[in-house]
Amino acid sequence: DADVTQTPRNRITKTGKRIMLECSQTKGHDRMYWYRQDPGLGLQLIYYSFDVKDINKGEISDGYSVSRQAQAKFSLSLESAIPNQTALYFCATSDPWYEDTQYFGPGTRLTVL
Amino acid sequence: GENVEQHPSTLSVQEGDSAVIKCTYSDSASNYFPWYKQELGKRPQLIIDIRSNVGEKKDQRIAVTLNKTAKHFSLHITETQPEDSAVYFCAASREDMRFGAGTRLTVKP
Repeated sequence: DADVTQTPRNRITKTGKRIMLECSQTKGHDRMYWYRQDPGLGLQLIYYSFDVKDINKGEISDGYSVSRQAQAKFSLSLESAIPNQTALYFCATSDPWYEDTQYFGPGTRLTVL
Repeated sequence: GENVEQHPSTLSVQEGDSAVIKCTYSDSASNYFPWYKQELGKRPQLIIDIRSNVGEKKDQRIAVTLNKTAKHFSLHITETQPEDSAVYFCAASREDMRFGAGTRLTVKP
């Protein structure tokens, strides 16, 4: 779904580095989400935002922070990356007034050495 | 918070057979239950969903049933085809969405 984009698509970094993952959407949705996917664990919610002024912690927010710069942009930061944050990260958007269906971006594969 | 359990974790069927994946949820206030399909290396894609005011929904070979009293819902795929092979996730949502751990479905030709 080209309406939700993520950058970078792949990133390799070292322990202790600060990393920012970016998500942009052209769907006009108010709600945006960040998920982490590990093998065998499904998708775990990190943070979600219902509008620019509304940020909420998900299941696994420790070690992460987010910024909702605009309706269309939602960034995820790892202030000091650690190896167990190696995972596939997905951004998603939804419109609760229409379908509530979540549309996922293509994912960012992050490796922390 | 919401907790979603999904079974089985792996499922292998012969082409043409049916496949059933089951999920249970803990929060009785959850009101939206989507199912996603994820092919290797790709993003999850919605295949069917159901809301709490509906007991069953069907879309061609795929159907979902919801039992609110028991807090469980199931995905049924009939006449399976090799291209149905993927990981399937259930989810339950009130405000934030919680996913099951996934079921890896393999359809053998």
